[in-house]
Amino acid sequence: AQSVAQPEDQVNVAEGNPLTVKCTYSVSGNPYPFWYVQYPNRGLQFLLKYITGDNLVKGSYGFEAEFNKSQTSFHLKKPSALVSDSALYFCAVGPYGNKLVFGAGTILRVKS
Amino acid sequence: DTGVSQNPRHKITKRGQNVTFRCDPISEHNRLYWYRQTLGQGPEFLTYFQNEAQLEKSRLLSDRFSAERPKGSFSTLEIQRTEQGDSAMYLCASSSRQRGYTFGSGTRLTVV
Repeated sequence: AQSVAQPEDQVNVAEGNPLTVKCTYSVSGNPYPFWYVQYPNRGLQFLLKYITGDNLVKGSYGFEAEFNKSQTSFHLKKPSALVSDSALYFCAVGPYGNKLVFGAGTILRVKS
Repeated sequence: DTGVSQNPRHKITKRGQNVTFRCDPISEHNRLYWYRQTLGQGPEFLTYFQNEAQLEKSRLLSDRFSAERPKGSFSTLEIQRTEQGDSAMYLCASSSRQRGYTFGSGTRLTVV
């Protein structure tokens, strides 16, 4: 069975500090992980996705993610957090072009 | 390119009534997906289409749920005899090999 784990329900970070939101997964075949962000009562906004061969993927709004094949992880990072980054973040993984399996989500709170 | 459009944005219905949601994907996307998201959880896959063919259905899709995509364009998701447990956000996404996934803003269903 395919699964995605986001071990932290909530991550708190001070504005200007680096942030990391963790994601590990277990999928059959070659994994294609994604990160999405969701604001209250809104749909999912794409942040970034894994690209074959790039272990550090850069995405929207200054976010990046580190792909680690041996640890089956795709942690989301940002060097300097903004208050406006506060939202709900979802990691999702799928075989290429197929359905996505989502994690339960991590609430990011950035305090000024 | 107007993105993925979902209607209505909100639907309140009485238990036992039937409801239908519509999704208009990005025109050149051949795959269309339906997901359900309950409060505090990540989206869960329901079903997907490649053009007009429904290729996979989740076990979550009980016989009260039916989805169609006539002519491979827009899609509808119907829930018959709604139950309170059907209350959720219903998300539609479309994808292409070139552009990946794009999600709509969702339809929030409340069954009272």
